[in-house]
Amino acid sequence: EVQLVESGGGLVQPGRSLRLSCAASEFTFHDYAMHWVRQAPGKGLEWVSSISWSSDDIDYADLVKGRFTISRDNAKKSLYLQMNSLRAEDTALYYCARGTFHDAFDIWGQGTMVTVSS
Amino acid sequence: DIQMTQSPSSLSASVGDRVTITCRASQSLSSYLNWYQHKPGRAPKLLIYAASSLQSGVPSRFSGIGSGTDFTLTISSLQPEDFATYYCQQTYSSPYTFGQGTKLEIK
Repeated sequence: EVQLVESGGGLVQPGRSLRLSCAASEFTFHDYAMHWVRQAPGKGLEWVSSISWSSDDIDYADLVKGRFTISRDNAKKSLYLQMNSLRAEDTALYYCARGTFHDAFDIWGQGTMVTVSS
Repeated sequence: DIQMTQSPSSLSASVGDRVTITCRASQSLSSYLNWYQHKPGRAPKLLIYAASSLQSGVPSRFSGIGSGTDFTLTISSLQPEDFATYYCQQTYSSPYTFGQGTKLEIK
């Protein structure tokens, strides 16, 4: 079954760091762009970051630019999100998603929860 | 940034009803508009991509239409499993903004 599984979430103090991982299975990972999307409690979906299959094209939402770094390891079929200088407003469920040729997000993981609180 | 405005924000309907959700963009998207269904505790699900193309495995009661700035998602005959929150998303240009969501509830 085509699947994405996120991990690495947890409770972290403001200003600290956290690294999220997303493991892909049953598809040719290096053929696809990948994305991170988050959902704060009681809020809607918010795009966070994207990376092309080759890692040549990377983009971030303004709210996380300079603090978050997206990366991938195609050999390990894994996507990452390094989150530094975390703020309370980064508290959210973080999803990884696969990008399609038509620029939609067709496969999503179940999400990993990040809580930033002292 | 492109702003996406969905309407209504919430909607009450009955099984068997025909439901339409609209999404308006602050600038033209061509057809780079997607629709997702999201249920609590579940991963979002892609329903429609490129404004009107039905994702594989999605029931044909879901349909999408539109181009430019105005788009609609229609569910032709609501089923119990369709009660969820629906989001539009533009992938015309970064940041790939989502609409605020439409919560579809049982009347």
